Amino acid sequence: GAVVSQHPSRVICKSGTSVKIECRSLDFQATTMFWYRQFPKQSLMLMATSNEGSKATYEQGVEKDKFLINHASLTLSTLTVTSAHPEDSSFYICSARGAGLAGSTYEQYFGPGTRLTVT
Amino acid sequence: DAKTTQPNSMESNEEEPVHLPCNHSTISGTDYIHWYRQLPSQGPEYVIHGLTSNVNNRMASLAIAEDRKSSTLILHRATLRDAAVYYCILGDSGNTPLVFGKGTRLSVIA
Repeated sequence: GAVVSQHPSRVICKSGTSVKIECRSLDFQATTMFWYRQFPKQSLMLMATSNEGSKATYEQGVEKDKFLINHASLTLSTLTVTSAHPEDSSFYICSARGAGLAGSTYEQYFGPGTRLTVT
Repeated sequence: DAKTTQPNSMESNEEEPVHLPCNHSTISGTDYIHWYRQLPSQGPEYVIHGLTSNVNNRMASLAIAEDRKSSTLILHRATLRDAAVYYCILGDSGNTPLVFGKGTRLSVIA
């Protein structure tokens, strides 16, 4: 149980275009989802937290108009990178926490990540 | 956020036990100790978590000091597939997200 999927796993886009990344909780309801990004040889950096049906809360330094987050249902959150530039190239990872998980509601379960390359 | 301190890297021989230390001297009474690991080009994977008592699961054991200021993740028999970055993270029981430090890069030698 506690599987989180992401789609796509890899994407290459041209500078100036927008890219949407989907994150799904497959066997539980994710009341809260988190988005992280990770640059090469660095740790994960939290970008934003979203609760189902509410606006996302962004970490300091993360542009909310550039990284649009939608958490419209208990099993789906999307991250849209708008007007992407080469410096947005990174590994984007979503995480979900929610009810219906055996043993604990405190754990975060992570997706496999999406590698974005902006050319 | 309460912080943790881990060695940057460790090395282990295959089939031997590995003890990964973590210091968290500023831990609060409600902080859980979480361990995740990340294999190359993958998302983090949950390993184990605990509050006060030692914990065991199929992946590992977690030994928590009596004063809770440190903990040790124990892999009983390291395999090549255990080579990863291991993160020790403090988190409360609320809705705050996990904040990752630099972790310990474990290398396993055949």
